[in-house]
Amino acid sequence: GQSLEQPSEVTAVEGAIVQINCTYQTSGFYGLSWYQQHDGGAPTFLSYNALDGLEETGRFSSFLSRSDSYGYLLLQELQMKDSASYFCAVRNSGGYQKVTFGTGTKLQVIP
Amino acid sequence: DADVTQTPRNRITKTGKRIMLECSQTKGHDRMYWYRQDPGLGLRLIYYSFDVKDINKGEISDGYSVSRQAQAKFSLSLESAIPNQTALYFCATSDPSGGDNEQFFGPGTRLTVL
Repeated sequence: GQSLEQPSEVTAVEGAIVQINCTYQTSGFYGLSWYQQHDGGAPTFLSYNALDGLEETGRFSSFLSRSDSYGYLLLQELQMKDSASYFCAVRNSGGYQKVTFGTGTKLQVIP
Repeated sequence: DADVTQTPRNRITKTGKRIMLECSQTKGHDRMYWYRQDPGLGLRLIYYSFDVKDINKGEISDGYSVSRQAQAKFSLSLESAIPNQTALYFCATSDPSGGDNEQFFGPGTRLTVL
């Protein structure tokens, strides 16, 4: 089966940098995704890593280490609007390439 | 214009009632999914469909059924609703020709079963 672990809550100050970690266990790994979800809203895609290393998209970056079964989402220059839940999701190799979501990290940005 | 729409957005029903949640998309994607979200449990896959003729069970399909009426429409039914099916339900789509790395979610349906 698959399992993902990420912290349930993180608090950070506006303008600062925050890192949200995700460790996973899976039988056949294909890639790691990150989604953002504001309260009452739909999840929206942020990034995808299939290879080791850092992917940067504006203020957000995502990192993957396949050998460590570990990834993180890095948010820089935090803004109040970044307060949301962030989910990592593992995509498995194999016929369907099923996506399994973590339980989410609720980020609170404070002034 | 929303690319993935869900109706209804909110529904309150009673135990034992049959409920249908509908999803439509204008993205032209072949792949569609139904998830439920419960507090602290993330998103769990109920059913998925790779095209009109291909429907598969996800990890929590018991108590649910689906119908893929067309490429653009994917409906989720609760044949006899029970209180532990109270949750937020999301429909999503993806495009294998685009790498299938991103799923596009509808706005969600909040279902309460009394």
